[in-house]
Amino acid sequence: GIQVEQSPPDLILQEGANSTLRCNFSDSVNNLQWFHQNPWGQLINLFYIPSGTKQNGRLSATTVATERYSLLYISSSQTTDSGVYFCAVNTGNQFYFGTGTSLTVIP
Amino acid sequence: GAGVSQSPSNKVTEKGKDVELRCDPISGHTALYWYRQSLGQGLEFLIYFQGNSAPDKSGLPSDRFSAERTGGSVSTLTIQRTQQEDSAVYLCASSLAGTGRYNEQFFGPGTRLTVL
Repeated sequence: GIQVEQSPPDLILQEGANSTLRCNFSDSVNNLQWFHQNPWGQLINLFYIPSGTKQNGRLSATTVATERYSLLYISSSQTTDSGVYFCAVNTGNQFYFGTGTSLTVIP
Repeated sequence: GAGVSQSPSNKVTEKGKDVELRCDPISGHTALYWYRQSLGQGLEFLIYFQGNSAPDKSGLPSDRFSAERTGGSVSTLTIQRTQQEDSAVYLCASSLAGTGRYNEQFFGPGTRLTVL
């Protein structure tokens, strides 16, 4: 199956700081999603982004499918942004998940 | 509208017992996925249903695991003769379609299974 690598594995930010999370994948994919898993374990959809750039408030994402990576940008971070961020890529029937980036935003 | 729902939210069982976990997908979604997430880990694909097609069972870890989807809607994941290594959060997701641009997944809250 496809290998999905996320970096960094852990990130600690001061509230108000910006960050970039990266997702690399090893083969061509049909689709890509970014999720935020909150401290209660719920997976929240952030972006459905097989290619191009999307923005939603303080968050934006860019996927460069030809180079097999995607970036998630978080600006002006807030404590509520804490949690684990996953990217998942789809080929055929399956979605393959990375191991996540654990983000802690401190006040 | 209603999201994906799962029940029970928590299940504690003894080693060797059978358990059933339930998933209600979003109405109208034809694709349904089961995943397992062990503590501090990513998600592991288990099984995929798409409409009336035969399910993709390639992720099931052993023959103790099985799943069915009745009427193209509700799904049940069954684990027979549970083992301690089965302890995990079991997550269900659904999407409008299984492939192409309509396969954005939406997840339920999960069932936390603890095998003593």
